[in-house]
Amino acid sequence: EAGVAQSPRYKIIEKRQSVAFWCNPISGHATLYWYQQILGQGPKLLIQFQNNGVVDDSQLPKDRFSAERLKGVDSTLKIQPAKLEDSAVYLCASSPPGADTQYFGPGTRLTVL
Amino acid sequence: QKEVEQDPGPLSVPEGAIVSLNCTYSNSAFQYFMWYRQYSRKGPELLMYTYSSGNKEDGRFTAQVDKSSKYISLFIRDSQPSDSATYLCAMNVYGGATNKLIFGTGTLLAVQP
Repeated sequence: EAGVAQSPRYKIIEKRQSVAFWCNPISGHATLYWYQQILGQGPKLLIQFQNNGVVDDSQLPKDRFSAERLKGVDSTLKIQPAKLEDSAVYLCASSPPGADTQYFGPGTRLTVL
Repeated sequence: QKEVEQDPGPLSVPEGAIVSLNCTYSNSAFQYFMWYRQYSRKGPELLMYTYSSGNKEDGRFTAQVDKSSKYISLFIRDSQPSDSATYLCAMNVYGGATNKLIFGTGTLLAVQP
């Protein structure tokens, strides 16, 4: 079974630029999550989708971050404009229907200069 | 006070040692406890999960939960250099509409050959 796929793996941008990350969850997984992991910290949930609807985006900085999950499969996370403090690894995870376990992708490491 | 506290380490042990990794938590509503392993520049990988107090064993790994003390542990027997990674505890309220995992900061483990 293929795991969660993410791209790009690495991205370097300057502050005030925009950036987008892509995630393809495990086939059949209805729930998709985006986490932010700052160096030396545990992942922090940004947004949770159930199919193509948002379940929880309470910790998403909505003035600069946006996410969508069209057709309930792939998802994109966008930052516009980026700040220095957005430097982190952005992890995508997915869960099968009715399960609590989450399976993570390799992450996208973002550096904002 | 953070909801989940975890000693960041680093923890260095010789090969073959028994390793004990621990987390404490403050939210008594947490019912679902997980341990993830994260290798450098990789996404977190689910190791163990449990819903109840007591011990759960899987090969060289044992997860222990003490809800009365709000304390969870992961024991690794006969540790190997390949166990060198960051270990993250995570927890959630079982059955909630949102499935937000709350992570500890992670403990960096190095097993010396």
